[in-house]
Amino acid sequence: EVQLVESGGGSVQPGGSLRLSCSASGFTFISYAMHWVRQAPGKGLEYVSAISSNGGSTYYADSVKGRFTISRDTSKNTLFLQMSSLRSEDTAVYYCVKGTGRGYNYVYFDYWGQGTLVTVSS
Amino acid sequence: EIVLTQSPGTLSLSPGERATLSCRASQSVSSNYLAWYQQKPGQAPRLLIYGASSRATGIPDRFSGSGSGTDFTLTISRLEPEDFAVYYCQQYGSSPGTFGQGTKLEIK
Repeated sequence: EVQLVESGGGSVQPGGSLRLSCSASGFTFISYAMHWVRQAPGKGLEYVSAISSNGGSTYYADSVKGRFTISRDTSKNTLFLQMSSLRSEDTAVYYCVKGTGRGYNYVYFDYWGQGTLVTVSS
Repeated sequence: EIVLTQSPGTLSLSPGERATLSCRASQSVSSNYLAWYQQKPGQAPRLLIYGASSRATGIPDRFSGSGSGTDFTLTISRLEPEDFAVYYCQQYGSSPGTFGQGTKLEIK
């Protein structure tokens, strides 16, 4: 059974940093690109970031480029999202998502974690 | 970037009725790479349909997807109480993949 378990969310002041983690199990982690999708309270889904299966390629939405860094540790089957210079508009539930291919393009999302809430407020 | 527009924003129907949800793309979706997701309150989205018309594993056959090019439809043939939720379409035929704004299916 595929499981994606996020952690690391919480409350932080504007300008602060936070590191999200996603522990993956039930599939061959090194064979799939992984993604982060977020959802602001009461809003729709926003594609934030992605990393290829070997970690060699990454994608960032313009809204987070230069502030967020995605990475993965294949020895621990864990995905990370380092978030810095956080803004109020980054407040959202962040979902760890498994894609359906090694690359992050041309893939849909077949498994989602339960999400972790990040609140940016003074 | 392809913009997806879902309609209606809210759909009010009764259990047993047929639901038709629309997703229109600002340009043609390559290879009909379009997916549909269902999200219930407090839960993560769940994959329903991929490739415009293929049902994901475990999805009941009352859910069906159709369409091509710029116009896509999710149909729920006979609504069950558990089907009332928010539905999102996603195109993955061009980078970056993008989501529609969602359609809320509510009980009438």
